[in-house]
Amino acid sequence: GDSVTQKQGQVTLSEDDFLFINCTYSTTTYPTLLWYVQYLGQGPQLLLKVTTANNKGISRGFEATYDKGTTSFHLQKASVQESDSAVYFCALVASSGSWQLIFGSGTQLTVMP
Amino acid sequence: NAGVIQTPRHKVTGKGQEATLWCEPISGHSAVFWYRQTIVQGLEFLTYFRNQAPIDDSGMPKERFSAQMPNQSHSTLKIQSTQPQDSAVYLCASSLGQRANSDYTFGSGTRLLVI
Repeated sequence: GDSVTQKQGQVTLSEDDFLFINCTYSTTTYPTLLWYVQYLGQGPQLLLKVTTANNKGISRGFEATYDKGTTSFHLQKASVQESDSAVYFCALVASSGSWQLIFGSGTQLTVMP
Repeated sequence: NAGVIQTPRHKVTGKGQEATLWCEPISGHSAVFWYRQTIVQGLEFLTYFRNQAPIDDSGMPKERFSAQMPNQSHSTLKIQSTQPQDSAVYLCASSLGQRANSDYTFGSGTRLLVI
């Protein structure tokens, strides 16, 4: 079945540092891959979507790209701010035809001032 | 647009009691999803509806859990005979009704604690 692996459980950076979070996926179809961000006390919010058509997404200073050859996709930002502190989830639209999302385990990002 | 509204925000129940969680999707959204979030299991899909019809309940525990969508403005998740392991944040999301991606909007969740 479909799966998403997100190995970085916690990342601590200082303001203006470069952010890179990686996910790997397994699926039987050409995937739609997503990044969600969850702030404390809130539900996840869609940050970026990447498909096989566009290979890359950009939003709010974040960039997501995917590599079909290594079945990985990653999220990066050139210069993080304290307000970016949150949990970041990668996700995959299920290949079964169901509309459910398969989520990674999340990366807690803490940005120190 | 108030977003997806979930009530209550917090619920404490005693072991063996029933818990009913409510979700009001965004007006005009025809797909409604339920997820459960715990530290150990992360975000787990439970079930979803499209145009009020149940489509996929593959993530629902076979016993004690049920979900309904009696009209387009709300959905409920009911847990009978709650157990401590049911403690979690239950998230509802809605989407416009095309294949779920960019318009998949989550509510803030209901934090359920079973003591």
